[in-house]
Amino acid sequence: QKEVEQNSGPLSVPEGAIASLNCTYSDRVSQSFFWYRQYSGKSPELIMSIYSNGDKEDGRFTAQLNKASQYVSLLIRDSQPSDSATYLCAPGGSARQLTFGSGTQLTVLP
Amino acid sequence: GAVVSQHPSRVICKSGTSVKIECRSLDFQATTMFWYRQFPKQSLMLMATSNEGSKATYEQGVEKDKFLINHASLTLSTLTVTSAHPEDSSFYICSAPPAGRWDEKLFFGSGTQLSVL
Repeated sequence: QKEVEQNSGPLSVPEGAIASLNCTYSDRVSQSFFWYRQYSGKSPELIMSIYSNGDKEDGRFTAQLNKASQYVSLLIRDSQPSDSATYLCAPGGSARQLTFGSGTQLTVLP
Repeated sequence: GAVVSQHPSRVICKSGTSVKIECRSLDFQATTMFWYRQFPKQSLMLMATSNEGSKATYEQGVEKDKFLINHASLTLSTLTVTSAHPEDSSFYICSAPPAGRWDEKLFFGSGTQLSVL
């Protein structure tokens, strides 16, 4: 079983819509979760971190965490073409190495 | 915020040559650094964990004699791709957790695009 699984892409949404990205993880020890955004040819950049069950909002981004279900999601409201990128989910601190999901490629269509 | 500087950003070399990539933590001590490789349209694959003052830990399938890692100080880790071949062409990225805190976010270098002719 993979440690981190993300919803398969690519995902396309029209500009202004809500993009929903999902991630499940297998390690019950994980206490922190991070969403990174990666543009083509660039290194990942952190966009959200979440540590507690529930929702965390930051601007147009909302992360949701459910530790019992081992599920974390990222919602992007009012999606913009500049949000088009690959989004990586990563639990932190649960293993010797920090593992990344395969990523979900998001395309926001103008 | 914390910054990880990675150089060079792009390198083109001939097959058989060696290439060194540097990763520096600019305003924090990085006792640990991670080295990743990313092929087009694929996710980051952890190659090795670099530990200051000790040997690096390599992931399964990664040749330690080909990918030499040195972490001689708390702010510098280097990856040397020895006798590079076209199949080594990839995007190499380093990252570090601040102050060795594994539960915290990673700070990434800007990446090195290696092209081996």
